[in-house]
Amino acid sequence: SQTIHQWPATLVQPVGSPLSLECTVEGTSNPNLYWYRQAAGRGLQLLFYSVGIGQISSEVPQNLSASRPQDRQFILSSKKLLLSDSGFYLCAWHHRVEGTGELFFGEGSRLTVL
Amino acid sequence: GQNIDQPTEMTATEGAIVQINCTYQTSGFNGLFWYQQHAGEAPTFLSYNVLDGLEEKGRFSSFLSRSKGYSYLLLKELQMKDSASYLCAVLDSNYQLIWGAGTKLIIKP
Repeated sequence: SQTIHQWPATLVQPVGSPLSLECTVEGTSNPNLYWYRQAAGRGLQLLFYSVGIGQISSEVPQNLSASRPQDRQFILSSKKLLLSDSGFYLCAWHHRVEGTGELFFGEGSRLTVL
Repeated sequence: GQNIDQPTEMTATEGAIVQINCTYQTSGFNGLFWYQQHAGEAPTFLSYNVLDGLEEKGRFSSFLSRSKGYSYLLLKELQMKDSASYLCAVLDSNYQLIWGAGTKLIIKP
């Protein structure tokens, strides 16, 4: 069966510090991968998506970046965090050609920037 | 532009029935999803509609009318654990998901 994990689950970082969130998918190959951010009481904002290794599409210009060094690994990074980067970050995947496009989410990472 | 509208918050009583509406305007349509999200957790899949009509799954049903750009999620025999946010999302012509802001459902005893 397929699984998705992301970590860390919770982190508190000072403004200006770097960030690295990691996400891995198991049990499938060639998934489409996504990073979303959800502000408190708000909907999901798509940050990045990837259809293959090294292929990253950015939806929102910001101080965040994403990388996909391996087929089932997706990393969200920042060199210098801003207060506005606080939120709930979700990694997700879906089959590229199979299924209905249903997204499977990781557990989420709650980031607080102070 | 693309837009998905759903009520911000709804309140219902345990044991009752509640209907959460979703209207959408998107560039193309390849299906509509409903997800449930408990506070502090990731969304989990509830239903998928691509053809008009009603899809029933236990206590939950989802309806779609493509001509009206409209869907609803029907929850029957409400339980306290159904207190959550319910997210409507549409798969557009580029197979990208467009998300509504979610409806927070509060269940009272």
